[in-house]
Amino acid sequence: EAAVTQSPRSKVAVTGGKVTLSCHQTNNHDYMYWYRQDTGHGLRLIHYSYVADSTEKGDIPDGYKASRPSQENFSLILELASLSQTAVYFCASSTRNYAEQFFGPGTRLTVL
Amino acid sequence: SQLAEENSWALSVHEGESVTVNCSYKTSITALQWYRQKSGKGPAQLILIRSNEREKRNGRLRATLDTSSQSSSLSITATRCEDTAVYFCATDNYAQGLTFGLGTRVSVFP
Repeated sequence: EAAVTQSPRSKVAVTGGKVTLSCHQTNNHDYMYWYRQDTGHGLRLIHYSYVADSTEKGDIPDGYKASRPSQENFSLILELASLSQTAVYFCASSTRNYAEQFFGPGTRLTVL
Repeated sequence: SQLAEENSWALSVHEGESVTVNCSYKTSITALQWYRQKSGKGPAQLILIRSNEREKRNGRLRATLDTSSQSSSLSITATRCEDTAVYFCATDNYAQGLTFGLGTRVSVFP
C-alpha cells in the first residue's frame, strides 16, 4: 500500500545538537514537503522538493536544511537545534504542486 | 497574515447533528481543499473543489465555494463521534503548493 512514513516518530534533542528527520514515500510522487505544526499556527511549509537532488525554500526555512537524495526520500536537517524548533513535523507527498497531499504520521520533536 | 483561514477555532455538536466549518481566503485560486486531522495523525484530504465548481459532495460531507466572496464551507451531516477532528481548508499557492488555514476543532459528543 502506498504510504508516507516518517522516522523517528518522536525525538528528544539537546539545544545546539544536530537533528535529522527522515521521510520515505512509496506513492511515486514527484513533490515532497516538510511542514511544522504548532498550536495556533496550523501547518507551515519549511521546504519542498519537486525532483531528486533539488530542494526549495518554503515559508519558514530559517534554521532548517533539506535533502532529497532520491524520489522516495526527503530529509529535514536541523544543524543547530533550538528550543523554538520544538514542534510536530509532517512530511507529505503529491503528484504535482497543488494536488492532494498525502501526509505521514508526523514526528514529535522536543528540543531541551 | 494567513492566505486561508477558518472562521472558528472550535465547534461542538451532539451526534446526529450537522456542523459547518467556514473558511475565507485572500488570493485567486484554482481549487480549495478540505483536510481532516485526527488526534495523533497527519491530515487527510476530504474534498477538493475547483474554482469553477460551486458545490461538491462526498458522502456526508458537502463543500461549497463562493469565489466572489472568497469563501468556502464544509458541512458534515449526521455527525458521529469519529468525526471529532481538526478541519483545515487549504488553497493552492502557485509558488509553493498549498497554504493551510489554522484549523477548526470539531468535537462531536454522544
